[in-house]
Amino acid sequence: GEDVEQSLFLSVREGDSSVINCTYTDSSSTYLYWYKQEPGAGLQLLTYIFSNMDMKQDQRLTVLLNKKDKHLSLRIADTQTGDSAIYFCAEQEAGSYQLTFGKGTKLSVIP
Amino acid sequence: KAGVTQTPRYLIKTRGQQVTLSCSPISGHRSVSWYQQTPGQGLQFLFEYFSETQRNKGNFPGRFSGRQFSNSRSEMNVSTLELGDSALYLCASSLATTTGELFFGEGSRLTVL
Repeated sequence: GEDVEQSLFLSVREGDSSVINCTYTDSSSTYLYWYKQEPGAGLQLLTYIFSNMDMKQDQRLTVLLNKKDKHLSLRIADTQTGDSAIYFCAEQEAGSYQLTFGKGTKLSVIP
Repeated sequence: KAGVTQTPRYLIKTRGQQVTLSCSPISGHRSVSWYQQTPGQGLQFLFEYFSETQRNKGNFPGRFSGRQFSNSRSEMNVSTLELGDSALYLCASSLATTTGELFFGEGSRLTVL
């Protein structure tokens, strides 16, 4: 079955870049997503990448996809205290609207 | 444009009771999905509805059920509540095109005593 794994914690200093990593197992994944969850809130879609792409940039966010290694990363440039949250990686299986989420990476930004 | 609205936001029930949670999707979105979020298991898929039909169901017991109405609003029901059902239940809507871009509500936090 599908499995998505992420490291649980990441701590960075304000102004530095953050890199959150994710590995997935389903080779038939079509889209891969990054969501952000702030305390007491639902999930907010940050960005997504189609499986035939290897990079996508959106303002401060850069997504890198290594399909051979089934590795996905999210880079946040110039990390701010407002970026402190839990970040979830998710994969979408071909032909399905169901997403499989990782357990989330808690990003702490030190002022 | 209003976001996904879930009601109630918080509720407390006791074991053996049942609960109904409601979700109003973003206007124009015809797909509604439900996820359960717990500290131990993370986010787990419950079910997904499109045009009043359940298209996908996760690996949950039959005590968990749902439905979708003609106006795309959805409800989920949990019967014979157990302590382990305590969780944040998240509803998400989407246009249900090729991508699974989900727009989440803030969730209904259920506590079972």
